[in-house]
Amino acid sequence: GQNIDQPTEMTATEGAIVQINCTYQTSGFNGLFWYQQHAGEAPTFLSYNVLDGLEEKGRFSSFLSRSKGYSYLLLKELQMKDSASYLCAVSKGGGADGLTFGKGTHLIIQP
Amino acid sequence: DSGVTQTPKHLITATGQRVTLRCSPRSGDLSVYWYQQSLDQGLQFLIQYYNGEERAKGNILERFSAQQFPDLHSELNLSSLELGDSALYFCASSASTNLEQYFGPGTRLTVT
Repeated sequence: GQNIDQPTEMTATEGAIVQINCTYQTSGFNGLFWYQQHAGEAPTFLSYNVLDGLEEKGRFSSFLSRSKGYSYLLLKELQMKDSASYLCAVSKGGGADGLTFGKGTHLIIQP
Repeated sequence: DSGVTQTPKHLITATGQRVTLRCSPRSGDLSVYWYQQSLDQGLQFLIQYYNGEERAKGNILERFSAQQFPDLHSELNLSSLELGDSALYFCASSASTNLEQYFGPGTRLTVT
């Protein structure tokens, strides 16, 4: 089966750091994606982890532990525009790449 | 702008009807994916095409079908529509397999 869990909602302060966790149990695993989605808009790609460890890209970093079925997205120097839903998604690979998404974490940034 | 285009942006139709949603992938992308997003189910994978051939199926109902044409654009056909089919339908594309997917702006379908 497929099970991807992430918190429903988080609140953080402008300028601070926030970590959004994601745990997964899936039949097959090739990589883990993070997407950002503003309400009513398309998801936009943030990061992709295939191997264990940390991937850093500007203010955003993503970590993966395959043995623990765990990932997190770290957002630094939070800005008001970072208020959005953050979606964790797993790719099973093998050429069949339909992503299995978590329900998303709604991040609220307060001044 | 991801480079993926979808038409129409909005669609309102009645139960029992049939609609076609259209997607043009980013230039050069061979893989096209269709997703459905509803408030209660989240983002659900429906089907994937790669260079004109069906590659994988997800939670796609038998009333739904899709195809990818030689110019790589794709269409998703939804028939015998029910109220529960009201959702945002996204198309995504990627250059190949196992790569990041770029999403189009979506088609908002309302079935009344």
